[in-house]
Amino acid sequence: QQQVKQSPQSLIVQKGGISIINCAYENTAFDYFPWYQQFPGKGPALLIAIRPDVSEKKEGRFTISFNKSAKQFSLHIMDSQPGDSATYFCAASKRGNGNKLVFGAGTILRVKS
Amino acid sequence: KAGVTQTPRYLIKTRGQQVTLSCSPISGHRSVSWYQQTPGQGLQFLFEYFSETQRNKGNFPGRFSGRQFSNSRSEMNVSTLELGDSALYLCASSLELANVLTFGAGSRLTVL
Repeated sequence: QQQVKQSPQSLIVQKGGISIINCAYENTAFDYFPWYQQFPGKGPALLIAIRPDVSEKKEGRFTISFNKSAKQFSLHIMDSQPGDSATYFCAASKRGNGNKLVFGAGTILRVKS
Repeated sequence: KAGVTQTPRYLIKTRGQQVTLSCSPISGHRSVSWYQQTPGQGLQFLFEYFSETQRNKGNFPGRFSGRQFSNSRSEMNVSTLELGDSALYLCASSLELANVLTFGAGSRLTVL
């Protein structure tokens, strides 16, 4: 059962453009929604995270938008750079489940220079 | 500050063998989680240890086991290896349960 659905599978964006990756979840008990970035040969690294009490969180060029009623959240990368080319994963976890994250399938982002 | 260290980075085993992977968390981190990453199933949670106790477990068969030592270092073991166990096994640590996870680079296991 895929509890977190991520789209698109892959994305090509021009340098300076906006990259948008979307995720939808089913379990309303989820209360923590992080995004991870993974480069080849490396483990995932936390980019930014949000809890359902806010609708948006911004850190530098990265913004999470959260829609609790639609059970959707998205990552926006502003002014995308070639160095942003990586695989991005959304994830979710619920209170009381410690660090048990449910991950989306991942989005391969390529930023063309 | 050293990151999460996983050893070995690469290993090749044959079906039926068993394997032990090691993880040294960031100094001061008491929670260690293990994840399996495959092209087909993506990132899947295996288990989490905190203060030497398993706190959460994913939906993997009993062939997958783990433990945590008093210094927070952790090991995971897979017995009776199957071809489908070929994967990148990732360890992640955090200060406490339900905290920010820092992943290691992983141990890539190939089962022939």
